[in-house]
Amino acid sequence: DQQVKQNSPSLSVQEGRISILNCDYTNSMFDYFLWYKKYPAEGPTFLISISSIKDKNEDGRFTVFLNKSAKHLSLHIVPSQPGDSAVYFCAASAPNDMRFGAGTRLTVKP
Amino acid sequence: KAGVTQTPRYLIKTRGQQVTLSCSPISGHRSVSWYQQTPGQGLQFLFEYFSETQRNKGNFPGRFSGRQFSNSRSEMNVSTLELGDSALYLCASRTGGTENSPLHFGNGTRLTVT
Repeated sequence: DQQVKQNSPSLSVQEGRISILNCDYTNSMFDYFLWYKKYPAEGPTFLISISSIKDKNEDGRFTVFLNKSAKHLSLHIVPSQPGDSAVYFCAASAPNDMRFGAGTRLTVKP
Repeated sequence: KAGVTQTPRYLIKTRGQQVTLSCSPISGHRSVSWYQQTPGQGLQFLFEYFSETQRNKGNFPGRFSGRQFSNSRSEMNVSTLELGDSALYLCASRTGGTENSPLHFGNGTRLTVT
């Protein structure tokens, strides 16, 4: 049951430009949304989150947008840096339940 | 604070064998979740434990089981291993109350079944 979907398996952007990663979910019970970043041979690292009562949350170069009516969230990274190259997972959470998308591999080219 | 610790980092097993993976959560975290990561499938939820009780379970066969001890440490067991069980198994912990909070992941155990 794919309750959380990341339809783009990969994304390539130029250093300094904006990276936009997208995520869709189906379960309207989810009320907390997160983005994780994963490097090879390491566990995912929490990046940024947003509660369903908000539509935007910003932390430095990272901004997450939530559109509840469309059941869609996105992560914007501006400006993108080569060190941002990693796999990004979005996650959606309800009490006692957190589901992840399949991930998007971001490559930032110098 | 020490992070989430998973042991061992790597395991090679043969089809039909069983395996036990271990996870020590961040101190003070009472919720431990397990995920399976395979290429193209993202992180598939296995189960979550809180205060030694399984609180939630994903869609995996009964060969996958787990438990949590009174010190919040958790183990995951897979019996009658199949080739398709080869994956990275990730453990994550969080405080575990009713509040929303991020999961904190360990570096995983890479299981290879031959």
